[in-house]
Amino acid sequence: GAVVSQHPSWVICKSGTSVKIECRSLDFQATTMFWYRQFPKQSLMLMATSNEGSKATYEQGVEKDKFLINHASLTLSTLTVTSAHPEDSSFYICSARRGAGVRTGELFFGEGSRLTVL
Amino acid sequence: AQKVTQAQTEISVVEKEDVTLDCVYETRDTTYYLFWYKQPPSGELVFLIRRNSFDEQNEISGRYSWNFQKSTSSFNFTITASQVVDSAVYFCALSGEMDSSYKLIFGSGTRLLVRP
Repeated sequence: GAVVSQHPSWVICKSGTSVKIECRSLDFQATTMFWYRQFPKQSLMLMATSNEGSKATYEQGVEKDKFLINHASLTLSTLTVTSAHPEDSSFYICSARRGAGVRTGELFFGEGSRLTVL
Repeated sequence: AQKVTQAQTEISVVEKEDVTLDCVYETRDTTYYLFWYKQPPSGELVFLIRRNSFDEQNEISGRYSWNFQKSTSSFNFTITASQVVDSAVYFCALSGEMDSSYKLIFGSGTRLLVRP
């Protein structure tokens, strides 16, 4: 099956630093990728929709200047948490769609990246 | 607006018991898709099933079965003869055709604990 890989799997950083998380579709091209955030014992909350070659679409309440998303190629989207603070500590999960839509495409999830901000 | 409700926060059963996880959804789309995912302690989401709104046929896959009822907007998931390895958080999710990005909206999840 298709594989979506996230890197790093876990990262610890100091407050005020920026952290970049990569999401790669390894064996297919993904025009659309999604970024989710999951706090402990909570559900996955959609942060933004990342479209290759265009600006990301952010969900209400998500700060676009804090969570920078770049989808520069059909196989790579990056999420940068700028000036991270302890409250940004979370599990970040990306998903990538293979195909044009849900009818013809499937969603594949990465293994997640656990961010801890000290 | 789309919404997925999983009213059961946690369920605990003894191995070999059957267990049903409830999922109720809300959508204005006439064409939509429903999903179930399993999230073990490792955190990675495991895809279980996708069902479109035009297919109300129930599905069985091994010990797993799904009951889709459009009349009650429910898409319940049953595990028969549960096993310890079934312990995980299970998420129901919804995607609608009117949103061109087909983004997935998740329910709050149900934590299943299967005790030996």
